[in-house]
Parts: sequence; C-alpha cells; structure tokens
Amino acid sequence: DAGVTQSPTHLIKTRGQQVTLRCSPKSGHDTVSWYQQALGQGPQFIFQYYEEEERQRGNFPDRFSGHQFPNYSSELNVNALLLGDSALYLCASSLLRDAGNEQYFGPGTRLTVT
Amino acid sequence: EDKVVQSPLSLVVHEGDTVTLNCSYEVTNFRSLLWYKQEKKAPTFLFMLTSSGIEKKSGRLSSILDKKELFSILNITATQTGDSAVYLCAARPRNAGGTSYGKLTFGQGTILTVHP
Repeated sequence: DAGVTQSPTHLIKTRGQQVTLRCSPKSGHDTVSWYQQALGQGPQFIFQYYEEEERQRGNFPDRFSGHQFPNYSSELNVNALLLGDSALYLCASSLLRDAGNEQYFGPGTRLTVT
Repeated sequence: EDKVVQSPLSLVVHEGDTVTLNCSYEVTNFRSLLWYKQEKKAPTFLFMLTSSGIEKKSGRLSSILDKKELFSILNITATQTGDSAVYLCAARPRNAGGTSYGKLTFGQGTILTVHP
C-alpha cells in the first residue's frame, strides 16, 4: 500500500523564481492538504483540495496556488519566491467522507530560497 | 483565530524516565485533537482524541483529552532513545456534513531528547 509521496525531496531556488512541488496521495484517499513548516515551528495549513477544487485556505498570499488532478495528485506552486518561503513543505492526504480518519503525511520537500 | 500551544518546548531525559507533554487549544467548533511524532520529515500519526476523559494507549504511549479545560496530555513511560523526536499536537475543527476537511492547526512542537 503506497503511502503519500512527494517530489522533489530537496530544491534550491533564487529569490523571485517560481517553484512547483508535487504530491501523490495515499491509495484510496481523495483529499490533499498542503502545509508549510518553518524550522523549529509546527506545520501551518496552506490549503486543501478535493474534487479538483480548493476547499479551504490558510493565511497565505496569492503567490501560493495549487491544483488537483483527476487522479487526486496535487501540485503546490509558489511564485515570486522570498527568502521567508524557505521551509519544509508537507503534503497530507485523507478520505473526505471518513471524518474519523487521520491525515497521512508525506516526507516533505525541503525548499531553500537564496 | 485558532490556536494550539504546547509545553514544554523542549525536554531532555534519560532512558527509563516518564515524560508528560502538554497541549492546550482554542479552536472554533473543535472536533478532535491529534498527536504526531516527527523524527526527520513526515509526521507520523500517534493518536486522535475526540471524547473527553477516554485514555488512548499504544504500548508505552498514552493520551487523554479534557474538552472542558481545553487540553490534552501525551505520556510516554519507560522512555527509550528511539523516542527522541518532535511531538506535535494538532486540533481539527468540526465541519458541516461530518466531512474531514483538513485545516489542522498545529502547536509548535515539543522536542524530546532521550539520553542513554
């Protein structure tokens, strides 16, 4: 049973550039959430996708956008990168209709902005 | 704004010690409290607590929720070096229709270091 997978594992970008991170949910899951975890902090909710639509959004600027594909996989796009965007980006999947089900996290993508 | 606070922020113990990690929350329409262990990257699920006063146990780990006082504790008995990690708690709100719309609000984590 494949768990949540993310790519790439590490990424180095320059300020002002754009980046795309990818996530494949756990088999059988239909909902994908993205989190940003700065060093020494807990993860912060960016947004959640279900049925290819953004359903909930945290306090992140419009530079952060996403997409969900028909196979439930998802992308996180960040434009005009800032130094403060350096963080571990975590993807979590769940089954929407199973309210008692926990979210499963992927290994994350470590983004460094220089 | 939803808020989750964990204490202590860090803890150093020796193998065999018992530790208690604390998590307090202020969440609109609270549904459940989740505990995760994060060793390197991916947080791994430990417990989900929805009802007050019912202890959940898994081996040497146990957790309980107090919905009146808005806090939860995670206990680890007979600690081992493999318990060294960041322990995160997160609160999940209740959503319309009973669905599991995600928006987990995490605390900043407790860094546990267990020395041999």
